[in-house]
Amino acid sequence: DAKTTQPNSMESNEEEPVHLPCNHSTISGTDYIHWYRQLPSQGPEYVIHGLTSNVNNRMASLAIAEDRKSSTLILHRATLRDAAVYYCILIGNQFYFGTGTSLTVIP
Amino acid sequence: GAGVSQSPSNKVTEKGKDVELRCDPISGHTALYWYRQSLGQGLEFLIYFQGNSAPDKSGLPSDRFSAERTGGSVSTLTIQRTQQEDSAVYLCASSFQRERDTQYFGPGTRLTVL
Repeated sequence: DAKTTQPNSMESNEEEPVHLPCNHSTISGTDYIHWYRQLPSQGPEYVIHGLTSNVNNRMASLAIAEDRKSSTLILHRATLRDAAVYYCILIGNQFYFGTGTSLTVIP
Repeated sequence: GAGVSQSPSNKVTEKGKDVELRCDPISGHTALYWYRQSLGQGLEFLIYFQGNSAPDKSGLPSDRFSAERTGGSVSTLTIQRTQQEDSAVYLCASSFQRERDTQYFGPGTRLTVL
């Protein structure tokens, strides 16, 4: 059974906000929620992570549901360089990977 | 550079041969991870090392796969008797600590088994 689920693909217009969802209904209390993205032909790069509270950094924001069974990565203003596959990952006693969401940014 | 490095960048081998893939993590990082990414697929966790603790091998797909980490630094992933389904990009990452720290990924080794 999948531990994290993400939509296969999403589209966004350039300079508009993007909300990328991830469901992780079986998350344990010690699992951290990490988001990474992978540009074509490159290794994954870190975006953001959190445990319980919402997090902000220069790249994005992470909104974590109160019950922690879901989270949302928020890109405040999508640019063409944000087109990538975004992975939601639970890291704790085990590693649970989402299938990734391929984000297309439309100029 | 101070990033994670992997070698070789590309490896082509014949079915049945053994291969070794190398990862040099960022200096000072105690956690090291190996992942596999098949063409068009997501990341698949293989194995995790943390300091001197026993590695977490729960992601290794078969007993043909093994990995070592010598001196808490360099790691080698070995695939014995390679099969065509082993063809993939093998990614290595390192971090200070498992749960709460950023993982820094290397560029990967593209393995092709003919």
